[in-house]
Formats: sequence, C-alpha cells, structure tokens
Amino acid sequence: GESVGLHLPTLSVQEGDNSIINCAYSNSASDYFIWYKQESGKGPQFIIDIRSNMDKRQGQRVTVLLNKTVKHLSLQIAATQPGDSAVYFCAENSPNTGTASKLTFGTGTRLQVTL
Amino acid sequence: NAGVMQNPRHLVRRRGQEARLRCSPMKGHSHVYWYRQLPEEGLKFMVYLQKENIIDESGMPKERFSAEFPKEGPSILRIQQVVRGDSAAYFCASSPHPDTQYFGPGTRLTVL
Repeated sequence: GESVGLHLPTLSVQEGDNSIINCAYSNSASDYFIWYKQESGKGPQFIIDIRSNMDKRQGQRVTVLLNKTVKHLSLQIAATQPGDSAVYFCAENSPNTGTASKLTFGTGTRLQVTL
Repeated sequence: NAGVMQNPRHLVRRRGQEARLRCSPMKGHSHVYWYRQLPEEGLKFMVYLQKENIIDESGMPKERFSAEFPKEGPSILRIQQVVRGDSAAYFCASSPHPDTQYFGPGTRLTVL
C-alpha cells in the first residue's frame, strides 16, 4: 500500500557539520508534509512543514526540500548540535482528505551527533 | 499556553482489564487525533475527533477500542479487555483546524 519511508535508519554526524535526512513518499496525491523530532521518552515535536506548491522552506537552522518529480523529501540541519540527537520522522497528510487530518508517518531516522 | 497534556504518562494493566487514556488539547484546539507507536517504529493513525464527533476512525481496531471527545473535558481513548499486543505508546495530538498537529508526551501502556 501507500507509505512513507526513509532511506537511512541511522545517521551519525559530527558536531558542527550539516545533517541531511531523507524521506521517500509513494503517494503523488499527498500535498502536505511535516518533519517531526522525537527524543527518547517524549512525543513528536514539530520542526517544519511544507506544502506541495513549494519546493523549499527554511526555518531556524532547518530547511526542508521537496522534490515532487521523484517524490522525495529531505530535512537539512545546519551546524548540528548534540541537542539535535533524536529520531526524525517525516509525515504526509492523508491524500483522501486533502488536509493534515490523518498523518502517515515513516519509520524514522536516528540522528547521532558525535563530539 | 500549555501544550497537549496526556495522563497517565505510564499505565500498567493486566490482561482483561480496561485502560483509559486521557488527552487535553491545547487551548483553542478543537481537533484531536490519537496515534499508536510500537518500539522503533513510526506512529500509526488511529482516530480523528472534533468536539462530540468522530471524523475518521479508520485506524481503530474494530473491537475493544473506542474514543470520545465530549463537549466538556478531555478526549478519552478506551481499550477494553486489554491484551499484551496492546502494549505501546499512545500519543494524542491537537490542532486548531485540520492542519499541523502538535503532540502530547504520550501514555506508555504496559499489559502484563
């Protein structure tokens, strides 16, 4: 069935380097995407979102890129810090509703920041 | 402005008992969502509710699970006659409209 998936289960980066976390989605009808960060024992924390009418959106130290041609989403974290260590999930809206009323999550990428 | 609140944070039940999980959305949010997460996996949608209405329950098991969001008070996810397979983290999210969802800290259910 339709799903959201991630290429890398674990990503290790050195403090100060940039991180890139990738996500592939299979449903071309999806029009809204969100990145969440989840630390151990906590709930997902909203990082940044993007709609399908955009291909790039920037936040504080984070950038999300959307390539609809190849159905690929990425999260870039600039100057990665130890506090960025967590599991990162991409999520897409349910295409049947056209809004984020039902999110489909990927399996997650664990980001490990080394000193 | 307080975030989404869930209680209890940890819940232990024996097989066959009932589990009640509560979620208080952020102030001003009338949309509530419940998700389930197994260890090392992503969140799986269960149900989407607005005040006094179930909008989408396509992710809810047909038996033993129910959810409500009354006019007053928190949203409740109820699991009757729990089994070991129900052990998971249950997350609630809320939003002011069907858009970006903000998650609570979750309830970790353990069934003995």
